[in-house]
Amino acid sequence: EAAVTQSPRNKVAVTGGKVTLSCNQTNNHNNMYWYRQDTGHGLRLIHYSYGAGSTEKGDIPDGYKASRPSQENFSLILELATPSQTSVYFCASGDAFGGVSQNTLYFGAGTRLSVL
Amino acid sequence: QQKVQQSPESLSVPEGGMASLNCTSSDRNFQYFWWYRQHSGEGPKALMSIFSDGDKKEGRFTAHLNKASLHVSLHIRDSQPSDSALYFCAASVGYNQGKLIFGQGTKLSIKP
Repeated sequence: EAAVTQSPRNKVAVTGGKVTLSCNQTNNHNNMYWYRQDTGHGLRLIHYSYGAGSTEKGDIPDGYKASRPSQENFSLILELATPSQTSVYFCASGDAFGGVSQNTLYFGAGTRLSVL
Repeated sequence: QQKVQQSPESLSVPEGGMASLNCTSSDRNFQYFWWYRQHSGEGPKALMSIFSDGDKKEGRFTAHLNKASLHVSLHIRDSQPSDSALYFCAASVGYNQGKLIFGQGTKLSIKP
């Protein structure tokens, strides 16, 4: 079973503060993703990456930065956190060239972020 | 407007019954579809993918795709209480493309 680990699991931040959410995968997958989940909106793509050193903007990148320093790690950075960024954040990994598992995503357990 | 729309928002089905979930893409470029399931407090997990027109069956789950109408459905027969979860439809441009777009989800409740 593919393994994606997110940290922290819960985070309370102050408005204007910097927040870093971390994700580690041991699947050796090329692709990694950050989504946020809000009621009524489902999962919305923030940033994704095709490999170490690459980051791509998703559908809602404003206010977020991403960093992929290695195959295993992918971080989401909120430089100036705002209350509208209160949400549950999910990291996922996927192997676009994985044969029958083509593009199947494996998700972490999520990080619940509250910005006060 | 979301490129992947799901209906209904919520659905209640008696145990042993059939649950039917729907998904439509408003972007003709999205022609490859997945269904994911999320139990409360967990991350989503892939159920099945469907890339060709017609039906695809995996156990109690059957997905149906109509590429002409960009409509995909998921049918769960003999529904079990453990099937109670949030179900997401997801789509991408290509079967091996990185960008996967999700719908807003359908909350399924199975009543004992």
